[in-house]
Amino acid sequence: SQQGEEDPQALSIQEGENATMNCSYKTSINNLQWYRQNSGRGLVHLILIRSNEREKHSGRLRVTLDTSKKSSSLLITASRAADTASYFCATDGSSNTGKLIFGQGTTLQVKP
Amino acid sequence: DAGVIQSPRHEVTEMGQEVTLRCKPISGHDYLFWYRQTMMRGLELLIYFNNNVPIDDSGMPEDRFSAKMPNASFSTLKIQPSEPRDSAVYFCASSLGQGGTDTQYFGPGTRLTVL
Repeated sequence: SQQGEEDPQALSIQEGENATMNCSYKTSINNLQWYRQNSGRGLVHLILIRSNEREKHSGRLRVTLDTSKKSSSLLITASRAADTASYFCATDGSSNTGKLIFGQGTTLQVKP
Repeated sequence: DAGVIQSPRHEVTEMGQEVTLRCKPISGHDYLFWYRQTMMRGLELLIYFNNNVPIDDSGMPEDRFSAKMPNASFSTLKIQPSEPRDSAVYFCASSLGQGGTDTQYFGPGTRLTVL
């Protein structure tokens, strides 16, 4: 089963609005990462948050991590049409095996 | 750097044929990952290498799949014989350090269609 599960599966908003995506996971982790995938492309790394961090910012992105609830959220502020993509969270499962386990993703559509 | 390079970008083949997918990781990256993405199963890790050595192949679906990394700049994923259910997008990714603690850089993918 997937380690990370995103919610909602799909999200449609107007340009300028904020978009919030959530990720839940099952086992303890060392790190959690968020990736974006544009249609027909490979995944692109957005941000990494470590288990001892609660919040991290990168431009219009804000990621939070609550290890007690085993959940993370990705907030995109002032969304743009170019933000239309699928967003995935990925965890390492604290196993130090070197691999990531990806969730099913949230598909975001930003309407101009 | 050109990023992770995959070839071919698209492959259409008939059931029973052998398919070989190729990947060139980013120079200097010690880890290489092969993923498969489908609508039904999402993104699945098939196998990954560290310093050209296969570390975990537990995601390889069955014996029809094999992967090699003869040197630090080249890896192949082979399916023999191919079946329609192998149709998917196959991604190669590389990272400098362990995938869990380091960014993975993905290639553009190979879209495989098995008729």
